[in-house]
Amino acid sequence: EAQVTQNPRYLITVTGKKLTVTCSQNMNHEYMSWYRQDPGLGLRQIYYSMNVEVTDKGDVPEGYKVSRKEKRNFPLILESPSPNQTSLYFCASSLYASGNPSYEQYFGPGTRLTVT
Amino acid sequence: RKEVEQDPGPFNVPEGATVAFNCTYSNSASQSFFWYRQDCRKEPKLLMSVYSSGNEDGRFTAQLNRASQYISLLIRDSKLSDSATYLCVVNRDNDYKLSFGAGTTVTVRA
Repeated sequence: EAQVTQNPRYLITVTGKKLTVTCSQNMNHEYMSWYRQDPGLGLRQIYYSMNVEVTDKGDVPEGYKVSRKEKRNFPLILESPSPNQTSLYFCASSLYASGNPSYEQYFGPGTRLTVT
Repeated sequence: RKEVEQDPGPFNVPEGATVAFNCTYSNSASQSFFWYRQDCRKEPKLLMSVYSSGNEDGRFTAQLNRASQYISLLIRDSKLSDSATYLCVVNRDNDYKLSFGAGTTVTVRA
């Protein structure tokens, strides 16, 4: 089954304790992205990657890191989480062809993170 | 000004009714437009792309008005299962960055 998986689905942690949220897709998609969703603000892009070893900042990258060492995986790292990073996080993937940004994005089930 | 703005609703409609709502976007260079559906904080899923000529998928009709910079979604013969939040999504410039609206919530009642 074609899918995007995220782990963990729920996480409660304390300020400053490093954490990683994993994201994996089995559709051989080039493009992967992380979003956070907060009430009234919609989804905001944190980081995206157009292929292996190619990553770039989205709209709200502060406090986050990513890596893309393999095509299927795109982990999100919070080196020192703070309460303002409490949010619902989604990973997404899609096909990407240079010059054509019109592909459907497939989202993972989401990770609900609480930082106390 | 937000790049994509939507009326948050909620739109409460009876089964069988028609409901329509708009989404405005600020970047006149945007080329790609989509409606996604999101159920109760689950992952968004593509409902339909929006083409310049307008397009229809069953009970759903999407329209694009470039002059006024808005897209619309119309749902005919509403079903209980149409209850969801509908996200307007617009690409920005020529890069692969998408702007999401905060969503319009539709509740269909029996």
